[in-house]
Amino acid sequence: EDQVTQSPEALRLQEGESSSLNCSYTVSGLRGLFWYRQDPGKGPEFLFTLYSAGEEKEKERLKATLTKKESFLHITAPKPEDSATYLCAVGGNRDDKIIFGKGTRLHILP
Amino acid sequence: DTGVSQDPRHKITKRGQNVTFRCDPISEHNRLYWYRQTLGQGPEFLTYFQNEAQLEKSRLLSDRFSAERPKGSFSTLEIQRTEQGDSAMYLCASSQSTDTQYFGPGTRLTVL
Repeated sequence: EDQVTQSPEALRLQEGESSSLNCSYTVSGLRGLFWYRQDPGKGPEFLFTLYSAGEEKEKERLKATLTKKESFLHITAPKPEDSATYLCAVGGNRDDKIIFGKGTRLHILP
Repeated sequence: DTGVSQDPRHKITKRGQNVTFRCDPISEHNRLYWYRQTLGQGPEFLTYFQNEAQLEKSRLLSDRFSAERPKGSFSTLEIQRTEQGDSAMYLCASSQSTDTQYFGPGTRLTVL
């Protein structure tokens, strides 16, 4: 069964303190790994799609990387506006669904 | 605005009442998905459509839930005889084929 585990559940950082969020997954044939940002009371906002091990994508202070078993979301010199829940999801080749992890709640202190 | 839209944004209802939510996907997207999200959890798949065909339903989707996409454009999700356990955020997403899904703002349902 496809599964996604995110760690840590919550993370508090000082502004400018870089860190990484982890997404471990098991899937029968990876179709894609997806990162989303979600603010309280809103729908998930798309960040990145990664398709194969070794792939990396960047957007502003965020960089996502992918291996055969996990993905990392690296946050460099974060700002308070980066505070949100970051969700990881995987899609397999068996069906068209994507399975989400529970997310990492990130809080950046000014 | 060319994103996914959902209506209403908030719904408060009494236990036993029926509710219906609407989702308008991104216009060129042929796939439409419904998810449910509770506090502290990631979105949970409920069902999805390719054009007007409903291709898969989660085992979590009880007989009280029904979804339609009559003309392959907007979709509705109806919950009959609501229960307090149905209180959640209901999210709609759309995609072109099996590519990245883009989400709407969600409908927050509270069942009293």
